Amino acid sequence: DTGVSQDPRHKITKRGQNVTFRCDPISEHNRLYWYRQTLGQGPEFLTYFQNEAQLEKSRLLSDRFSAERPKGSFSTLEIQRTEQGDSAMYLCASSGGLRRASSYNEQFFGPGTRLTVL
Amino acid sequence: RKEVEQDPGPFNVPEGATVAFNCTYSNSASQSFFWYRQDCRKEPKLLMSVYSSGNEDGRFTAQLNRASQYISLLIRDSKLSDSATYLCVVTGSARQLTFGSGTQLTVLP
Repeated sequence: DTGVSQDPRHKITKRGQNVTFRCDPISEHNRLYWYRQTLGQGPEFLTYFQNEAQLEKSRLLSDRFSAERPKGSFSTLEIQRTEQGDSAMYLCASSGGLRRASSYNEQFFGPGTRLTVL
Repeated sequence: RKEVEQDPGPFNVPEGATVAFNCTYSNSASQSFFWYRQDCRKEPKLLMSVYSSGNEDGRFTAQLNRASQYISLLIRDSKLSDSATYLCVVTGSARQLTFGSGTQLTVLP
């Protein structure tokens, strides 16, 4: 499967714990995005990488959240001192690659990591 | 006010019906426009891009009116498999997607 993968698919944690999620984008894609989706809402943008550079961060991304893409390939999203309001689906998407491809700007989403904070 | 507004529905229609979804966006600098489809507990997937000239893909037609900041999606001859949530999406200069809350469609046999 050459699509976007995310790990874990589900995470249950207690309030105050730290959690880390991983995203592996489509291999030739140079852009990677993190979104958060809560029930009944569309996904909300969190942050964006072009290669290893984090170029944009949403105001939703509090100082408890940090994202990295150290080698311009996979990315991690860490949430420190989790709160019940952090419970959501965390989606990763990637885009880019061959400029001539018609799908160059299309974002392909992974299956998401569903976080439940008790 | 949300950047992208959609009627949440739900829309319950019989098979074969024509159904239309509307969406408005607030940022006049928005550059690209899309409809995504999201099945229950799955990730969003691109359904189609939306252009000012309008575009059609089989039973699906999308329209964009930049002056009114309005986007529409028409589904003709709806199928049971069209049941999903349809998300209106716009992008700005940073390319991140801004999603509406989605419109839920159920096609009934």
